[in-house]
Amino acid sequence: DAKTTQPPSMDCAEGRAANLPCNHSTISGNEYVYWYRQIHSQGPQYIIHGLKNNETNEMASLIITEDRKSSTLILPHATLRDTAVYYCINAGNNRKLIWGLGTSLAVNP
Amino acid sequence: ETGVTQSPTHLIKTRGQQVTLRCSSQSGHNTVSWYQQALGQGPQFIFQYYREEENGRGNFPPRFSGLQFPNYSSELNVNALELDDSALYLCASSSDREGNEKLFFGSGTQLSVL
Repeated sequence: DAKTTQPPSMDCAEGRAANLPCNHSTISGNEYVYWYRQIHSQGPQYIIHGLKNNETNEMASLIITEDRKSSTLILPHATLRDTAVYYCINAGNNRKLIWGLGTSLAVNP
Repeated sequence: ETGVTQSPTHLIKTRGQQVTLRCSSQSGHNTVSWYQQALGQGPQFIFQYYREEENGRGNFPPRFSGLQFPNYSSELNVNALELDDSALYLCASSSDREGNEKLFFGSGTQLSVL
């Protein structure tokens, strides 16, 4: 079973920030938080990952709470092409990622 | 585009048959992972190969087997196909030199078992 909990769906207006939450209350000290997304009919795409510090790259920002029990993925200016299923995963390495159902994000014009 | 290619893109088989799916990893990557994704579900880990050796396996029966070749490409073989094997099969490559944080996925093979 997946060790993370995400809302099944979210909506966001184009051009606005999309904030996707994830709960991972049982995360271990050596486990990272990974975020991937999957656009319909394609393979998943890596977005970002972090251990305990906040991270930012060209795609998104990752905010991890101090107790590491939850995190938020932020897409600062969502576009229609960001419509996808977003997966939050905890793992010590990439050997065996356990995926839940993710959050289906719809970006609306 | 990730540089990971999978073939074929679609496949139709009948129950009891055998199937081989192929994956070419991204240049410089020495690790390949295989996942099964049923409709409406997240991907499920099948197994991982690192430098031609199995390096971890999920909860799949022995009729799911794999190979990794010296050029790090990989095959997934499924024997005695069952209707429930119908799914999208995803291959992902990664490199221990990059710390293994990122998996680069191909577009998958859609397998239908009739």
